Amino acid sequence: KAGVTQTPRYLIKTRGQQVTLSCSPISGHRSVSWYQQTPGQGLQFLFEYFSETQRNKGNFPGRFSGRQFSNSRSEMNVSTLELGDSALYLCASSFWATGVSEQYFGPGTRLTVT
Amino acid sequence: DAKTTQPTSMDCAEGRAANLPCNHSTISGNEYVYWYRQIHSQGPQYIIHGLKNNETNEMASLIITEDRKSSTLILPHATLRDTAVYYCIVREGSGNTGKLIFGQGTTLQVKP
Repeated sequence: KAGVTQTPRYLIKTRGQQVTLSCSPISGHRSVSWYQQTPGQGLQFLFEYFSETQRNKGNFPGRFSGRQFSNSRSEMNVSTLELGDSALYLCASSFWATGVSEQYFGPGTRLTVT
Repeated sequence: DAKTTQPTSMDCAEGRAANLPCNHSTISGNEYVYWYRQIHSQGPQYIIHGLKNNETNEMASLIITEDRKSSTLILPHATLRDTAVYYCIVREGSGNTGKLIFGQGTTLQVKP
């Protein structure tokens, strides 16, 4: 079974631009979560989607948004990029949105803002 | 904020057991203990989880104290490939979310 895939793997953007990152969950998984990882803040939860609905949102500004499609694929968008948005963005999928279930992470997208 | 406390770093000799402790003194009755690890620049990898009983799988064993206020992840025969950051996470089992709150984790260095 193929794992979680994220595209692109690496991205360089300029301050003020916007960016869209994509995540394809494991086949059959309906829950997708996004995380941001930086050296200073560690791994921080961004948001979670289940059946095209946002179920939970972390403490990030409105410049960070996401969506989930009917095939469970998810995208996240960051508008008006700032230098501090440089990070590894990780996507995780799981079968259930509730109850006990492990999450499977993708390799991440490394975003550099210059 | 993370509900767990872990040592910042640990060393282990290759071939020996690695015992990684985690304190979660405020854990609730319906909260599970999860362990993930992250090898440098890769996505975190699920290892194991448990509620109150000890658990074992092909990767590791999880020992949870009777009062559930602490736990230990055991890698029975550590290899160099087990060098990683290990995260202990407490998460509500019946909660309506897949959200994980990561702490700083323990950096395990396996040495030859």
